[in-house]
Amino acid sequence: AQSVAQPEDQVNVAEGNPLTVKCTYSVSGNPYLFWYVQYPNRGLQFLLKYITGDNLVKGSYGFEAEFNKSQTSFHLKKPSALVSDSALYFCAVRPRSSNTGKLIFGQGTTLQVKP
Amino acid sequence: DGGITQSPKYLFRKEGQNVTLSCEQNLNHDAMYWYRQDPGQGLRLIYYSQIVNDFQKGDIAEGYSVSREKKESFPLTVTSAQKNPTAFYLCASSRGQGAGNQPQHFGDGTRLSIL
Repeated sequence: AQSVAQPEDQVNVAEGNPLTVKCTYSVSGNPYLFWYVQYPNRGLQFLLKYITGDNLVKGSYGFEAEFNKSQTSFHLKKPSALVSDSALYFCAVRPRSSNTGKLIFGQGTTLQVKP
Repeated sequence: DGGITQSPKYLFRKEGQNVTLSCEQNLNHDAMYWYRQDPGQGLRLIYYSQIVNDFQKGDIAEGYSVSREKKESFPLTVTSAQKNPTAFYLCASSRGQGAGNQPQHFGDGTRLSIL
């Protein structure tokens, strides 16, 4: 079965430090990869996506993500965390062979940035 | 501005009552989705629709019903058969067939509680 794993329920970092939120996937082919952020009582906001090409993708709010084909991973990163980055983060994938817009979501990782 | 509007933001259901959650989009997207999110958990797909007058069950369709009479609208009814309806409900839209690398766009959710 196709799946997405976010192995950490919560990630804690100090403000100003780099952050990484991990995502690995088990999906056939070379899927499209996405990251979303969710603030309390809000919907998901799209951060960035990987299509092809450069393994480092830049997105909104200073976030970037590193694609690693051999490890089937797509980790979200930011060089310097802000307290306002504290939120719930979701990784999602869509197989390239899909004929629908459906996404396969990970379970989410709560990021806590402390001052 | 284009986007997805969910209403109401908060909804209360009495036992034995059906309630309907509204979702409207002006993004000209063919596909629409309903997700359920329980506290501290990820998203679970309830129903999705690729095109007007057509929809498919997701992973947890029991106790829910939908209609898709207009491209812009995809209302979700939580029926009395859904014994544990308390959750945060999210509506999303995307291009349908051929969505490819395009992300899903989300509304800001409806929080449903039992009276």
